[in-house]
Amino acid sequence: EIVLTQSPGTLSLSPGERVTLSCRASQSVSSNYLAWYQQKPGQAPRLLIYDASSRAAGIPDRFSGSGSGTDFSLTISRLEPEDSAVFYCQHYGGSVLTFGPGTTVDIK
Amino acid sequence: QLQLQESGPGLVKPSETLSLTCTVSAGSISSSNSYWGWIRQPPGQGLEWVGSIYYSGSSYYNPSLKSRVTISVDTSKNQFSLKLNSVTAADTAVYYCARHGTSGWYDGFDYWGRGTLVTVSS
Repeated sequence: EIVLTQSPGTLSLSPGERVTLSCRASQSVSSNYLAWYQQKPGQAPRLLIYDASSRAAGIPDRFSGSGSGTDFSLTISRLEPEDSAVFYCQHYGGSVLTFGPGTTVDIK
Repeated sequence: QLQLQESGPGLVKPSETLSLTCTVSAGSISSSNSYWGWIRQPPGQGLEWVGSIYYSGSSYYNPSLKSRVTISVDTSKNQFSLKLNSVTAADTAVYYCARHGTSGWYDGFDYWGRGTLVTVSS
């Protein structure tokens, strides 16, 4: 089972800033089977990125994913107030699907 | 646009069985390479994969829950279901149903239900 660790735990930022969130896997993720989700309070998660760097349908291009092996990142190029949320990474394709603990992004 | 909707009791007694159904609309549960999953989220905590099922019936479970979980599919009703037996307060969570993306097992969850809160309490 691949264990995912996310950092930092919480961020407080201003609109217009650029932010990079980290997701580290306990072992190499085959074929970059890594997704990112955004979850706002009271809502279901929303798929942002799959296969480490492919944007899901309808996701603005200010969201981008990168990485390979054990180190992955999600970058939001220009934060907007509505980006306040918890962001989770997820590994898929193995025998056990796992989620990271999440990073909370608060937009002041 | 594909839609998923969870349904089932919001309150379950300890040691009993939690039963939820996910109804899929505006799309077929039997589409090629379709995998469907259950994910749960305890209040104030992160996401945990419970298990998934292929439309033909093959199921896959989180090892931490495997001894208590059964996921089944009813293609005639366009539904899939979750049963979790011998529940305790630790099973209190929002339960989401979701679809694996078009690459099936090798894809993230692209469509989600709104989630349903299940509380385990006497």
